[in-house]
Amino acid sequence: AQSVTQPDIHITVSEGASLELRCNYSYGATPYLFWYVQSPGQGLQLLLKYFSGDTLVQGIKGFEAEFKRSQSSFNLRKPSVHWSDAAEYFCAVGNQGGKLIFGQGTELSVKP
Amino acid sequence: GAVVSQHPSRVICKSGTSVKIECRSLDFQATTMFWYRQFPKKSLMLMATSNEGSKATYEQGVEKDKFLINHASLTLSTLTVTSAHPEDSSFYICSAVAGVRTDTQYFGPGTRLTVL
Repeated sequence: AQSVTQPDIHITVSEGASLELRCNYSYGATPYLFWYVQSPGQGLQLLLKYFSGDTLVQGIKGFEAEFKRSQSSFNLRKPSVHWSDAAEYFCAVGNQGGKLIFGQGTELSVKP
Repeated sequence: GAVVSQHPSRVICKSGTSVKIECRSLDFQATTMFWYRQFPKKSLMLMATSNEGSKATYEQGVEKDKFLINHASLTLSTLTVTSAHPEDSSFYICSAVAGVRTDTQYFGPGTRLTVL
């Protein structure tokens, strides 16, 4: 069965520290992988996506993610977190038909 | 670009009534729209896929008679929660796909439904 697991429900990091949010997936075919961010009152915003090619994907707001097929992972990273990065982050897997399966989400808090 | 709006942003209704939620793509045409439901501190659950001019495709376990979806134009899809009950209280989110490329969805801000 297709699924996405985000092992960390809540993460707190200090402003300026590095960040890594974990995402593992189970998918029968070559997956399309996404990271979205959800802030209160705003729709989900696409941070980055991986379809094929270079396994290190650069996104907006300084985020990047690395696709590791052997580990079925697509972890999100940022070298230096800003207070405005506090939000809910969702990893998702999809296909060409557009259907997305979301992980449970990771809530990120940023300490001053 | 690629803005999706939802109306209303929040609605409170009495049990037994019906509520309509609108999803609009403001600056692009969306042949496909999706409807999701999000419970507190939970993931988004796909409810149905809405294609302009055809019947919606519902995910397993979603009652099509309770959650009526209409995609009457390339910029508007509506979700009607019929005979709402307190357990239908949730956050409903739509997304739209621009043109024929279905790999990137643009999400609306969501509608908070509370059924008393």
